[in-house]
Amino acid sequence: GENVEQHPSTLSVQEGDSAVIKCTYSDSASNYFPWYKQELGKGPQLIIDIRSNVGEKKDQRIAVTLNKTAKHFSLHITETQPEDSAVYFCAASNLGNEKLTFGTGTRLTIIP
Amino acid sequence: NAGVTQTPKFRVLKTGQSMTLLCAQDMNHEYMYWYRQDPGMGLRLIHYSVGEGTTAKGEVPDGYNVSRLKKQNFLLGLESAAPSQTSVYFCASGWDRDNSPLHFGNGTRLTVT
Repeated sequence: GENVEQHPSTLSVQEGDSAVIKCTYSDSASNYFPWYKQELGKGPQLIIDIRSNVGEKKDQRIAVTLNKTAKHFSLHITETQPEDSAVYFCAASNLGNEKLTFGTGTRLTIIP
Repeated sequence: NAGVTQTPKFRVLKTGQSMTLLCAQDMNHEYMYWYRQDPGMGLRLIHYSVGEGTTAKGEVPDGYNVSRLKKQNFLLGLESAAPSQTSVYFCASGWDRDNSPLHFGNGTRLTVT
């Protein structure tokens, strides 16, 4: 089955700087890669996703890049703000497969 | 529009006791999932359902049972709770097998002593 590794497990960034979280996956058939943000006491919420037919996707301060050859994808957050502090999860699946495999999470702390 | 609602929010069980966690969604989603979240291990899939009356095993199904008698509800049962089942449980639902996006509830924190 799919295995997703996520790094780092914790990340502290000065407010206004950029944050990068990286994930690798094992199944070359995977073609859907979402990112979820989990705030304290809440369930994860989708913030951005990318499919294998594109290499990069942006949504305001958030971007995701995908390298299918190397089997890794990354989340980039620019101009970080205190409300970006949360746990972030990457995930991967093969479209047509009902199951998402999640990474182990990154706790991002924005230092004011 | 409540989205995905989980009950209860917190529960403490003694070893060997049983309980049922309820998940309800009002988005008419076909797919529903139960995950557990443990420190350093991310979200692991316990069981899932692709429609009313169907269930399937996920990554860590042992010690749990599920039922999907109604499309909007997905129940997770623990027949004989063990300390290893201490965790935060999340229910999620989605439109179809594309998994985009999954809508999560706010979780149930279960402690087994």
